[in-house]
Amino acid sequence: DAKTTQPTSMDCAEGRAANLPCNHSTISGNEYVYWYRQIHSQGPQYIIHGLKNNETNEMASLIITEDRKSSTLILPHATLRDTAVYYCIAGEYNDYKLSFGAGTTVTVRA
Amino acid sequence: GAVVSQHPSWVICKSGTSVKIECRSLDFQATTMFWYRQFPKQSLMLMATSNEGSKATYEQGVEKDKFLINHASLTLSTLTVTSAHPEDSSFYICSAPGTLLIREQFFGPGTRLTVL
Repeated sequence: DAKTTQPTSMDCAEGRAANLPCNHSTISGNEYVYWYRQIHSQGPQYIIHGLKNNETNEMASLIITEDRKSSTLILPHATLRDTAVYYCIAGEYNDYKLSFGAGTTVTVRA
Repeated sequence: GAVVSQHPSWVICKSGTSVKIECRSLDFQATTMFWYRQFPKQSLMLMATSNEGSKATYEQGVEKDKFLINHASLTLSTLTVTSAHPEDSSFYICSAPGTLLIREQFFGPGTRLTVL
């Protein structure tokens, strides 16, 4: 799996959009970008995934650069409940194994 | 979405005893489940892949005789930590893959193991 790099931490204001960057410069053509989050002392939760097109669901939007070397997860209106560690993972479609890096600790402040 | 449960949610045991953790897929079948371990302030580390009807496959460095995995049915996988020691104290999390279409993994709530 391609290595991903994320900032260690970031703060954002409640009600504002949170933009979480992820670098995956060595991603291969058949690897997807997956985002999960883990709220303190809970199991991770799937957020979104994509290959090369931008994706949106009820939780977030995923913007992938044209060269696929980086992506941004957007939480459109952050709430206090979005405080969590966010993991960006690159993996092949047929490989269910997830390699978790350190992730980004996001703190949403009132 | 699909739900994965774990039991117990926390357990405290004495050093040298064995502890069994159950992982269940509540509303879907899972021929494969994954077990992760997470130490405080660290990320999740994949321990093993649990396969229904066959032996589990372990990641490098994980002792298969210490962490016994049994995938007894399409909805149940168990992880037994044998002869637990304080260094085995950790947060154990299981997961099961979702549909081929969505490719999301469903995670259990985790089990906090403390070995005294």
